[in-house]
Amino acid sequence: GENVEQHPSTLSVQEGDSAVIKCTYSDSASNYFPWYKQELGKRPQLIIDIRSNVGEKKDQRIAVTLNKTAKHFSLHITETQPEDSAVYFCAASNEGSTLGRLYFGRGTQLTVWP
Amino acid sequence: NAGVTQTPKFQVLKTGQSMTLQCAQDMNHEYMSWYRQDPGMGLRLIHYSVGAGITDQGEVPNGYNVSRSTTEDFPLRLLSAAPSQTSVYFCASMFLGGRNTEAFFGQGTRLTVV
Repeated sequence: GENVEQHPSTLSVQEGDSAVIKCTYSDSASNYFPWYKQELGKRPQLIIDIRSNVGEKKDQRIAVTLNKTAKHFSLHITETQPEDSAVYFCAASNEGSTLGRLYFGRGTQLTVWP
Repeated sequence: NAGVTQTPKFQVLKTGQSMTLQCAQDMNHEYMSWYRQDPGMGLRLIHYSVGAGITDQGEVPNGYNVSRSTTEDFPLRLLSAAPSQTSVYFCASMFLGGRNTEAFFGQGTRLTVV
């Protein structure tokens, strides 16, 4: 099955700086790569996703990039704010599969210091 | 729409007791799943279902049972609770096979086994 590795496990940045979280995947059949944000005590929620026919996607201060050849994708947060502090999970799946499994990375605890 | 409703929010069990975590969704999602979240381990898949009457094991199925008699409900049963099952449990659901594969999570259940 798919194996998703995520780095770093913890990340501390000063408010206003950028943060980058990286993930690699193993299964070349994976074509859908979502990112979830989990605030303390809350449920994970989708913040952005990218499909394998696209190399980059932006939504305001967050962006994702995908390198299919190298099998890695990254989350970029610019102008970080204290409310960006949370655990971020990357995931990979084969969107057309009838099995529908999402394979998650182990998460990155991002702390943004004011 | 309520989305994914998961109960209870907190539970304390004694070793050897059994219990059922409830999960219901009103989005007509084919796919439902249970994850456990432990520090540093990310979201690990326990069991999943791709439709009523169809269930399968995930990464960590031992000690848990599921059934899917309806599209809406996917309860998770702990057969004989052990301290190693102390964790936060999330139910999640999503559509299968199409482009909208966002996973919606329940609010989580914090389970402590003493």
